[in-house]
Order: sequence, then structure tokens, then C-alpha cells
Amino acid sequence: GQNIDQPTEMTATEGAIVQINCTYQTSGFNGLFWYQQHAGEAPTFLSYNVLDGLEEKGRFSSFLSRSKGYSYLLLKELQMKDSASYLCAVRDSNYQLIWGAGTKLIIKP
Amino acid sequence: ETGVTQTPRHLVMGMTNKKSLKCEQHLGHNAMYWYKQSAKKPLELMFVYNFKEQTENNSVPSRFSPECPNSSHLFLHLHTLQPEDSALYLCASSQESSSGANVLTFGAGSRLTVL
Repeated sequence: GQNIDQPTEMTATEGAIVQINCTYQTSGFNGLFWYQQHAGEAPTFLSYNVLDGLEEKGRFSSFLSRSKGYSYLLLKELQMKDSASYLCAVRDSNYQLIWGAGTKLIIKP
Repeated sequence: ETGVTQTPRHLVMGMTNKKSLKCEQHLGHNAMYWYKQSAKKPLELMFVYNFKEQTENNSVPSRFSPECPNSSHLFLHLHTLQPEDSALYLCASSQESSSGANVLTFGAGSRLTVL
């Protein structure tokens, strides 16, 4: 079967750096997405990786290794507003999106 | 209005009621989706519409009935639901293309409670 694994919950301190990992086993690969979802709000798109390597967008970066079935989302200079759930999703060979259950990130002062 | 708008934001219904969820997208996208989001579970794709035609129905019970009258509007009609159907129902849209990332834009969701 197809599977996306990510930690259920993580805690980090304001101003620090946190890395949220995502491992996947899917039938084929056509891109990996990260979305951010604040409580009670819509998930919003953060990043898309289809080739190996690091994509940087301001304080957020996303890394992909297709050979290892692995990605991470790196958040730097954490702010309280970064408290949210982070969803990893992989598009498989049929262009279906397979979702992880999300990682709830708690930022403490 | 911009983005994807869902109404109502909250809905409480009995098992014998009939209600509908509404979604509207103002992005000119050609595909719309219904997802179910339950606590600590992955998003579950329920229905997909491309250019108003339903292209996917992921074994969803018939008590959920989608309707897509045009490329901007999507409804989810609900009847004789079960308590386990209580969840957040998310609508999304995207511009489907063969070469693009096809990023989803989500609405804020309709929180459904079935008593």
C-alpha cells in the first residue's frame, strides 16, 4: 500500500530552527508538497519539490531525496505564528495525491 | 471575494436531516475537490470534478451526493448521515495541466457535527 509518515507532534522554541521529516512509500513519484494549516483555517501551499535537492523560500526550506523516499521542511527563526499543522503529500504515478496525517508544531516562547 | 469560499462554516445536523455544503472558487480554476479531514488522519479525497465532470468518486457512501453546476461552484448534499461522518469537509480547486505542479487552493472548511 501507499504510505506517508510524519511525526504527529513537535515542539520548538521561538527563534530556533525545526526540521519536520516526511518519508513516503508510493507507487511512483510525481512531486511532493508541503502545506501549512492553522487551526480552523484552510491548508495553504508552502512548497513543491519534484527534483532532488533543497528549495528555499525565505525562512522555509524543503528538501527532497527521491532515492530515499524522504523529504523535510526546515523552518528557521521560528515565530509564534508558525504554530500550525504541516501536511506532507506525494503525487503518485497516477497523479493521485497521497497525504500524511500532518505534524502539529507547537512554538513556545 | 477571492480564493475558495465555503458555507456554512459550522453545521450541526441530526441523522435524519438533509443539508448541503456549498463551495465557490473565484480563481478561474478548472478542477474542484471535496476532501474529508478527521482528527489525526490524512486528508481523504471524496470527489473530483474536472471541467464540471466528475472524474473520481473514492468509494464514498451514497449518503454524500456531489453536484457541480458550473466550474465555479461545488455542492455536497448530505442526507441520513452517521455520527462517524462528523469531520471537517474541505473544498479545494486547482488549475489542472499536464506540466504544472497543480497546486491545490483550499477553502477554510465546513465543520460538520452529526448527532
